[in-house]
Amino acid sequence: ETGVTQSPTHLIKTRGQQVTLRCSSQSGHNTVSWYQQALGQGPQFIFQYYREEENGRGNFPPRFSGLQFPNYSSELNVNALELDDSALYLCASSSRLAGGLYEQYFGPGTRLTVT
Amino acid sequence: GENVEQHPSTLSVQEGDSAVIKCTYSDSASNYFPWYKQELGKRPQLIIDIRSNVGEKKDQRIAVTLNKTAKHFSLHITETQPEDSAVYFCAASDYSSASKIIFGSGTRLSIRP
Repeated sequence: ETGVTQSPTHLIKTRGQQVTLRCSSQSGHNTVSWYQQALGQGPQFIFQYYREEENGRGNFPPRFSGLQFPNYSSELNVNALELDDSALYLCASSSRLAGGLYEQYFGPGTRLTVT
Repeated sequence: GENVEQHPSTLSVQEGDSAVIKCTYSDSASNYFPWYKQELGKRPQLIIDIRSNVGEKKDQRIAVTLNKTAKHFSLHITETQPEDSAVYFCAASDYSSASKIIFGSGTRLSIRP
């Protein structure tokens, strides 16, 4: 298993609420990416954080936002939850060095259910 | 926008036979192509990757080939075993910036005993 951890494991929220998901990156990794994986689908890129700044974003609305902290851990915040936000949220950590981005390793995910 | 198409969506092979999964990508800037294996209820795990400066890479029973001109890349699993049963995802990104990694829709591989 990788050293990437996520919390919580499962979460149930009501439509319109806000949620914060957390990710601790693997030791030595300075980049965290977040993905949404709907049932039976591939992971969809939400955004990536490098050195505490957003470094690329997928096709997700502004109500999906994030943070990266000095220890490289990260949060994903989703406001005004919708039913379609129900999914597995995965974070992946990697090292971004001069030569480019090295392999990323996924955490176990947070299963979010919006009712 | 960028897109990665993956085929087939399901694949069933006899134990011991080979399995091949194919992907195509649209963004010509893509130069890094990882493959992930995801077992039921578990996280995706990187099994092999290839960068655009090589055409083929092999790791024991797993190999990946890349045709940059055609924007195709494929995963080959030889001598399949029951533990190979899982969902496999291909992905593509620009390695130098890697600000976005696009995944295929997945292939559910079943190994028949």
